[in-house]
Amino acid sequence: KNEVEQSPQNLTAQEGEFITINCSYSVGISALHWLQQHPGGGIVSLFMLSSGKKKHGRLIATINIQEKHSSLHITASHPRDSAVYICAVPLNEKLTFGTGTRLTIIP
Amino acid sequence: KAGVTQTPRYLIKTRGQQVTLSCSPISGHRSVSWYQQTPGQGLQFLFEYFSETQRNKGNFPGRFSGRQFSNSRSEMNVSTLELGDSALYLCASSTGTSGRAGQLETQYFGPGTRLLVL
Repeated sequence: KNEVEQSPQNLTAQEGEFITINCSYSVGISALHWLQQHPGGGIVSLFMLSSGKKKHGRLIATINIQEKHSSLHITASHPRDSAVYICAVPLNEKLTFGTGTRLTIIP
Repeated sequence: KAGVTQTPRYLIKTRGQQVTLSCSPISGHRSVSWYQQTPGQGLQFLFEYFSETQRNKGNFPGRFSGRQFSNSRSEMNVSTLELGDSALYLCASSTGTSGRAGQLETQYFGPGTRLLVL
């Protein structure tokens, strides 16, 4: 069992739809990271959060520390949001990554 | 500020050879972490350097090593390459002052070096 679980693995949606990607982890953590990776490999850090909720543009990230669960939401999705979204948490002081969610937004 | 840069961007080697990859962090960042990404294993932490010292290490064999220079630039070396070392190698930098990589601080990733071992 992976220590960091993401769901779904793949997600295809129409432009404009509301998107939710989930991340669950197994032990207490200091912070959780959401990353975006476009084709070609470059990774961009979207959020780092340790409690509550953060918003940046159309992206919202929430975390529930007690339930060891985080969600990444995208409102009014756009084809340029197509990418792999990865959550990561420091486990045993080492950044440990989920397997990623491949998001495809169809115009 | 310039972002994290990695050189080379692409590399082809044969089994048994060794390879050195370079990472220049964002100016002022003292922590550099290295990650390996493969289709089978996903993203995995290799090691972190802070102020020229290895501060943390992942579960990789001793063939994988690294170092950091006084200007915070870092190199990683893989000796005796195996086919399974084919991967995207990413480095990330941060100030490093909030603890070990990823604990309480955003990491800024470079574009990666894509290594193919034949």
